[in-house]
Amino acid sequence: NTVMTQSPTSMFTSVGDRVTMSCKASQNVDINVGWYQQKTGQSPKRLIYWASNRDTGVPDRFTGSGSGTDFTLTISNMQAEDPAIYYCLQHNSYPYTFGAGTKLELK
Amino acid sequence: EVQLVESGGGLVQPGRSLKLSCLASGFTFSNYGMNWIRQAPGKGLEWVASISSSSSYIYYADTVKGRFTISRDNAKNTLYLQMTSLRSEDTALYYCARITTVAYWGQGVMVTVSS
Repeated sequence: NTVMTQSPTSMFTSVGDRVTMSCKASQNVDINVGWYQQKTGQSPKRLIYWASNRDTGVPDRFTGSGSGTDFTLTISNMQAEDPAIYYCLQHNSYPYTFGAGTKLELK
Repeated sequence: EVQLVESGGGLVQPGRSLKLSCLASGFTFSNYGMNWIRQAPGKGLEWVASISSSSSYIYYADTVKGRFTISRDNAKNTLYLQMTSLRSEDTALYYCARITTVAYWGQGVMVTVSS
């Protein structure tokens, strides 16, 4: 099974900061990775599909990159509405697997 | 507007069964593979099962294989998850989701396994 390792586990940031989080796959998953944002009490919302494509309506401050085993989600200009848990998901092969999440909080 | 509405959750004793449903609307349900994904209280997301558009291909997580059965009725625009031999570790919020192409998730339905 493909293990998705996210880092950091949590981070504190400030409005206006540039935020970078990582997701590493234990084997090649090509570009079959999505990034999800989950706010407290809400269903997950996909931000990025196929590693680097922004979903409709997602602000352009969210950028995904990577292929193969290394993936990154960057928030270029942290906003007050961005605190959440961010998950990566590989759908290259079954069983699909999520990372454990990166919890993003404001200082 | 796309909607995925889960139902059928509740409190169930260990070893018993429960069947979840997910009613889809706003898109051509029969064209898309569908998934069940769960989230234990305070924990992360866990993919549970997938079914292709025509039910030809079905996959399960190892943690539920042999106990859970995913199915669909395209005429009723409904996805199902039959859960048997339930364990306390199956306690979670169960989401119905379309995760390829344009992604949609339901609001989830809670399943609590406890005596």
